[in-house]
Amino acid sequence: DAGITQSPRHKVTETGTPVTLRCHQTENHRYMYWYRQDPGHGLRLIHYSYGVKDTDKGEVSDGYSVSRSKTEDFLLTLESATSSQTSVYFCAISQDRRSYGYTFGSGTRLTVV
Amino acid sequence: SQQGEEDPQALSIQEGENATMNCSYKTSINNLQWYRQNSGRGLVHLILIRSNEREKHSGRLRVTLDTSKKSSSLLITASRAADTASYFCATERGGTSYGKLTFGQGTILTVHP
Repeated sequence: DAGITQSPRHKVTETGTPVTLRCHQTENHRYMYWYRQDPGHGLRLIHYSYGVKDTDKGEVSDGYSVSRSKTEDFLLTLESATSSQTSVYFCAISQDRRSYGYTFGSGTRLTVV
Repeated sequence: SQQGEEDPQALSIQEGENATMNCSYKTSINNLQWYRQNSGRGLVHLILIRSNEREKHSGRLRVTLDTSKKSSSLLITASRAADTASYFCATERGGTSYGKLTFGQGTILTVHP
């Protein structure tokens, strides 16, 4: 989607290695979110950010960390990848705290072997 | 447990027919949103209805919200093959939720030409 890009689009990594996914926005939106999507679970919130250096945990944050040093970038790190973290990861942005709709990125398909 | 649960899980109709999808949730909300996801793509925001609204329209979409029953419905009128996608409801809970959305597992809609 215009204004938000995720990289890489696909990644295969080995168990135990660290992995960083990047979300970049050009909309200057304050709020950014990382979700994972798995069959049977829908989308689940991993971490979110409400400003530069302001982040907090979502419902499935174990094994993940995030950083936001600039408004436009929100990084998701898998500290030591496990097979259970094989998933499709989506970044989303929103304009204000009342959430007038999210704009989603195209997703990163991560496979941990 | 899921905050938003869609029903049915899958729906198959002919082009020109109407499609109705339902969503139930458990806690009080600020707003409820509907998203569409085409295969292999990110989610696209369709419509947002606030807790003090009962009905909202956008083109061929009609959304209703019944806060007493904690339920919502999405009606797509005169469906087209291009409407084939997964549809998700998402709720923003009350309080200082920073716009965090909780998604249901989705309804897979197939529209046959």
